[in-house]
Amino acid sequence: SQTIHQWPATLVQPVGSPLSLECTVEGTSNPNLYWYRQAAGRGLQLLFYSVGIGQISSEVPQNLSASRPQDRQFILSSKKLLLSDSGFYLCALGGDYGYTFGSGTRLTVV
Amino acid sequence: GDSVTQMEGPVTLSEEAFLTINCTYTATGYPSLFWYVQYPGEGLQLLLKATKADDKGSNKGFEATYRKETTSFHLEKGSVQVSDSAVYFCALSAYIGNLIFGKGTKLSVKP
Repeated sequence: SQTIHQWPATLVQPVGSPLSLECTVEGTSNPNLYWYRQAAGRGLQLLFYSVGIGQISSEVPQNLSASRPQDRQFILSSKKLLLSDSGFYLCALGGDYGYTFGSGTRLTVV
Repeated sequence: GDSVTQMEGPVTLSEEAFLTINCTYTATGYPSLFWYVQYPGEGLQLLLKATKADDKGSNKGFEATYRKETTSFHLEKGSVQVSDSAVYFCALSAYIGNLIFGKGTKLSVKP
């Protein structure tokens, strides 16, 4: 069965520091992978999606970036965090039966 | 563009009450429709889905019917439990890379 792993679960980072969130999947090959952000009191916003290694589509311009160095690895990064980057970040695996989400990373930028 | 509108919460019910959370959508083509649930502090879990008009998705006592004529996918449960307290998201997917969520509805069930 397909599983998705996301870490860390929580993260507190100072403004201006870099960010790296990692997502890996098991039990599937060539998956469609997604990064979503859920800001406090708001819905889910699609940030990036990838249909294959090195293929990244950005939905919202911002100071975040994503990379897909391996088939089952999807990384969300930032060179310099802003206060507005705080939120709950979710990685998702797209499939025929819907999307499977990771457990999320709660990022607080201070 | 495609969009999902769901009723704003929070919704507070007593245990065993009937639940309806309204969801309507705007989309070109024929999207698949989903309900996801997010329990406190956790990620999202797929609750149910429907891929074509008149399909009924059901799971854990929840159900929703894909109504093309009213562009709706309302979530219902006949008798809610305290353990159903969570945030519920309606979503649509028209093509790969396109999963659009509503803003979520927080449900609190009191014993």
